[in-house]
Amino acid sequence: GENVEQHPSTLSVQEGDSAVIKCTYSDSASNYFPWYKQELGKRPQLIIDIRSNVGEKKDQRIAVTLNKTAKHFSLHITETQPEDSAVYFCAAKTLNAGNMLTFGGGTRLMVKP
Amino acid sequence: ETGVTQTPRHLVMGMTNKKSLKCEQHLGHNAMYWYKQSAKKPLELMFVYNFKEQTENNSVPSRFSPECPNSSHLFLHLHTLQPEDSALYLCASSQGGGPYEQYFGPGTRLTVT
Repeated sequence: GENVEQHPSTLSVQEGDSAVIKCTYSDSASNYFPWYKQELGKRPQLIIDIRSNVGEKKDQRIAVTLNKTAKHFSLHITETQPEDSAVYFCAAKTLNAGNMLTFGGGTRLMVKP
Repeated sequence: ETGVTQTPRHLVMGMTNKKSLKCEQHLGHNAMYWYKQSAKKPLELMFVYNFKEQTENNSVPSRFSPECPNSSHLFLHLHTLQPEDSALYLCASSQGGGPYEQYFGPGTRLTVT
């Protein structure tokens, strides 16, 4: 089955700096890669996703890049703000895996004011 | 947010008790999921239901028993749990097969004593 590895597990940045979180996946048949944000005590919520026919997607201060050959994808947050502090999860979905998403281990991002 | 609701929000139970967790989605989705969230494995898929049929059982011990009477309701019946089962149990729903966003409920914080 699919295996998703996420790095780093914790990331501390100064407000205004950029943050990058990286994930690798094992199944070359994976075709959908969402990113979820979970603030302390709250539920995970989708912030951005990318499909395998696209190399990059941007939404204001967040962007995701996908390298299918290397089987890795990354989340980029620019001009970080304290409210970006949360745990971020990447995930991958395989064509033949029904509705299953395989999640990475999460990255705790701390933005220091 | 009221799209996906879970009850109870907190539950303390002894190892010999029987209890049930309830999830309800008001989004018209076809697929529902149970996840376990703990420090060890941040987002661990347990069960997937699509149109009331169980499509995934991620090697979950039989002391966890899911039930999906219709596309809007999902239960997780618990009996003879172990202390290591203490975790946050998250329910989610989505439109079904394909690259669709999963909407999470607020979770049930379970403590097994």
